[in-house]
Amino acid sequence: DTAVSQTPKYLVTQMGNDKSIKCEQNLGHDTMYWYKQDSKKFLKIMFSYNNKELIINETVPNRFSPKSPDKAHLNLHINSLELGDSAVYFCASSQGGFNSPLHFGNGTRLTVT
Amino acid sequence: QKEVEQNSGPLSVPEGAIASLNCTYSDRVSQSFFWYRQYSGKSPELIMSIYSNGDKEDGRFTAQLNKASQYVSLLIRDSQPSDSATYLCAVNKKTSYDKVIFGPGTSLSVIP
Repeated sequence: DTAVSQTPKYLVTQMGNDKSIKCEQNLGHDTMYWYKQDSKKFLKIMFSYNNKELIINETVPNRFSPKSPDKAHLNLHINSLELGDSAVYFCASSQGGFNSPLHFGNGTRLTVT
Repeated sequence: QKEVEQNSGPLSVPEGAIASLNCTYSDRVSQSFFWYRQYSGKSPELIMSIYSNGDKEDGRFTAQLNKASQYVSLLIRDSQPSDSATYLCAVNKKTSYDKVIFGPGTSLSVIP
């Protein structure tokens, strides 16, 4: 009965490859997010979707493309991977509203070699 | 100026002491404030949320908010070694949509 689940947990790939990370939440939340946590542990927002609609798109390279087929799923596809993309990527969801906390998935550790 | 700032630490306190973690934010329209705890290799988990000026207590944890000073803090009483983690301050900069911004985190080490 995992609330927010991400797959895969680990992803090791070479520069130039394309990879995807999948996220699903069973909390009935309307809003889902992608955050990137770099080696210094700084958690930075990348994208946010509300009921399948993109509402936040931070300054992220075009190589990153989120997709939300329905409000329970948010995927992240990354083209032409670079060394600097190595990080932990967290999916999160919230009910929406200013007092709604984020519920995080377990993260995907991406290593680009 | 970063939107949310925290002392990076590490902050070391002896077991049983009070740990005090501080956070400042730059945007006055911020409406809600959260403290998350993150153990090494794990995902952030919510400890406290606070929306109004003053103190909010939950067990050993007390969150304090001062919107005039744009300051939020977390006190951990009777610190335990299991409290050793990184503590992330987060701010919801709600305008027309929710946008939760995190500080860089403070690493706390509780020494037995």
